[in-house]
Amino acid sequence: KNQVEQSPQSLIILEGKNCTLQCNYTVSPFSNLRWYKQDTGRGPVSLTIMTFSENTKSNGRYTATLDADTKQSSLHITASQLSDSASYICVVSGGNNDMRFGAGTRLTVKP
Amino acid sequence: EAQVTQNPRYLITVTGKKLTVTCSQNMNHEYMSWYRQDPGLGLRQIYYSMNVEVTDKGDVPEGYKVSRKEKRNFPLILESPSPNQTSLYFCASSFGGDGYTEAFFGQGTRLTVV
Repeated sequence: KNQVEQSPQSLIILEGKNCTLQCNYTVSPFSNLRWYKQDTGRGPVSLTIMTFSENTKSNGRYTATLDADTKQSSLHITASQLSDSASYICVVSGGNNDMRFGAGTRLTVKP
Repeated sequence: EAQVTQNPRYLITVTGKKLTVTCSQNMNHEYMSWYRQDPGLGLRQIYYSMNVEVTDKGDVPEGYKVSRKEKRNFPLILESPSPNQTSLYFCASSFGGDGYTEAFFGQGTRLTVV
C-alpha cells in the first residue's frame, strides 16, 4: 500500500473556480511534505514545502495546509487559471533518502 | 540557468539492446536520483547517489545500473531492456536527499521497449 494517498485522482473545474486537493500519508517518522506541480511532458516543479511545525503556507494562488496529527495535507488553488492544468504531486519525507511520492491528482481547468 | 538535462527525450528500442540515458546538472548538487513514472503509480526511485562514487538502490533497481564518476553526471544504464521497462524516466538533483532542499527534475525520457 502506498504510504502517500492523493485524492481525487482527477478533477475538472471551470476557469476562475477554486479547488482543493488532498494528500493523506502514513510515512513515519515525518520530516517534511512538498507539493509539486507537473505540467504534461515536463518534470515536477516544487510549489511549497511544509515541516512539522507549519500548518499553512502560501505561494501566490496556491495555499497548502498540514495537519501532522491526522497526517493530512491539502493544496487549495484560488481563482484557477488555464495554466493550472497539470498533475499535482504530494511528496512526504521521513528523513534522509526516504521521500515517498503520491500518484498525483490530474487537474484540468476548462474555459 | 540552473537545470537538469536528460538525453534523449524519447527513445524506442528493442528488447535486449543496451542503452544509456544521460543526466547532467549544473547546480553542484551532491544528491542525484533516477525515477520511473508509470500511470497510477507515481514516481518510484530506481537508484540514487549521495556523492561521487557513492550509489545505492532505490525501490525498483532491478534491470538498471548507474554510475557517478563526476559530480554533475549520473547516467542510467539498461544492460538488457525488456518491455516492462517501458516508462517515463526522470532524473533529479538536490543538495540533499531528505526533502528539505528542493529537488530539480529533468524534462524526462520516454522509453519504449518493443
